[in-house]
Amino acid sequence: NAGVTQTPKFRILKIGQSMTLQCTQDMNHNYMYWYRQDPGMGLKLIYYSVGAGITDKGEVPNGYNVSRSTTEDFPLRLELAAPSQTSVYFCASSLRQAAGELFFGEGSRLTVL
Amino acid sequence: GENVEQHPSTLSVQEGDSAVIKCTYSDSASNYFPWYKQELGKRPQLIIDIRSNVGEKKDQRIAVTLNKTAKHFSLHITETQPEDSAVYFCAASKGGSGNTGKLIFGQGTTLQVKP
Repeated sequence: NAGVTQTPKFRILKIGQSMTLQCTQDMNHNYMYWYRQDPGMGLKLIYYSVGAGITDKGEVPNGYNVSRSTTEDFPLRLELAAPSQTSVYFCASSLRQAAGELFFGEGSRLTVL
Repeated sequence: GENVEQHPSTLSVQEGDSAVIKCTYSDSASNYFPWYKQELGKRPQLIIDIRSNVGEKKDQRIAVTLNKTAKHFSLHITETQPEDSAVYFCAASKGGSGNTGKLIFGQGTTLQVKP
């Protein structure tokens, strides 16, 4: 199993551009999450999904959108990129509804200039 | 919603000493409390977790304690080694029917173990 795979690993965007961070997992996990990590701020939940066709907002959803058309894929869309979205983004998945281990991808470092 | 506070933000210890990291949570319905370790430039990985029906759990040199009344939990690392140097995150979530299991993380503690 590859686990959770994120692409791209690095990206530089100009203000106002849009892009999609891809995330796919091959563990047949129903639960998937997007977190952003800023220095000294921990991991903040952006969006999450409990299964195909179901998504919900986390702690910091503004400026982002997600979709979950399949169990495997959970892309994160940034519309009109802003410098405040400069961060490291982690996708994660879990098997159990709760009290279960999160498996993280390697992260995507995004810089908005 | 749930809020998790973690202290200290940085911790420096001598090799062989113990390290303690503390977290408090706000939602009394939370019942699952994991700890993740993140080495520099790597992804977070689960090192230990505890559920609300248990007060303490040990795994070799690491242990976690939970005080539900006070809504706080702690990570204890004994006989620290240089490879323990990393950022440690606590988290909390609510399990059970109707809950999504979304984890809310603390701000992280950077642990430095000096040889």
